[in-house]
Amino acid sequence: KAGVTQTPRYLIKTRGQQVTLSCSPISGHRSVSWYQQTPGQGLQFLFEYFSETQRNKGNFPGRFSGRQFSNSRSEMNVSTLELGDSALYLCASSFDREGTYEQYFGPGTRLTVT
Amino acid sequence: KQEVTQIPAALSVPEGENLVLNCSFTDSAIYNLQWFRQDPGKGLTSLLLIQSSQREQTSGRLNASLDKSSGRSTLYIAASQPGDSATYLCAGTGGYGQNFVFGPGTRLSVLP
Repeated sequence: KAGVTQTPRYLIKTRGQQVTLSCSPISGHRSVSWYQQTPGQGLQFLFEYFSETQRNKGNFPGRFSGRQFSNSRSEMNVSTLELGDSALYLCASSFDREGTYEQYFGPGTRLTVT
Repeated sequence: KQEVTQIPAALSVPEGENLVLNCSFTDSAIYNLQWFRQDPGKGLTSLLLIQSSQREQTSGRLNASLDKSSGRSTLYIAASQPGDSATYLCAGTGGYGQNFVFGPGTRLSVLP
């Protein structure tokens, strides 16, 4: 079974631009979560989508948004990029059955904002 | 707000040693707990999941336990190897449908 895939793997953008990152979950998984990882803040939760609906949201500004499609693939968008948005963005998928909620992570997208 | 600490922050041991990594949650009501390893610049690899009805899980040389009364978890690595060198992160969720909260990680170096 194929793992979680993320595209692109690396991205360089300029301040003020916007960016869209994509995540394809493991087949059959309905939940996709997004995280931002930086050396100073560690792994911080952005949001989670389950069956095309945002189920949980972290404490990030509205510049960060996401969506999930009917095939469970998810995208996250960051508008008006700031230097502090430079980070490794990770997505994780889960089958999500009550009592068992195991997350599987993709390789991440390394975003550099200059 | 759930907060997670991991002790120690970094650890360097000679090959062959048994070691224990610790994880502690401010809110002890942990529904599911998961341990991960992360190699530099890579994504996270799931090691062990302790489900809501469990207190312990084992996989090969790894054993994880969760004390739900205190909100503390330990990851035991037996007979450590240089290939175990990585950052180990714990994460917990407070209930079904809630997001995971991650600890800052323990950076492990196993010296040959």
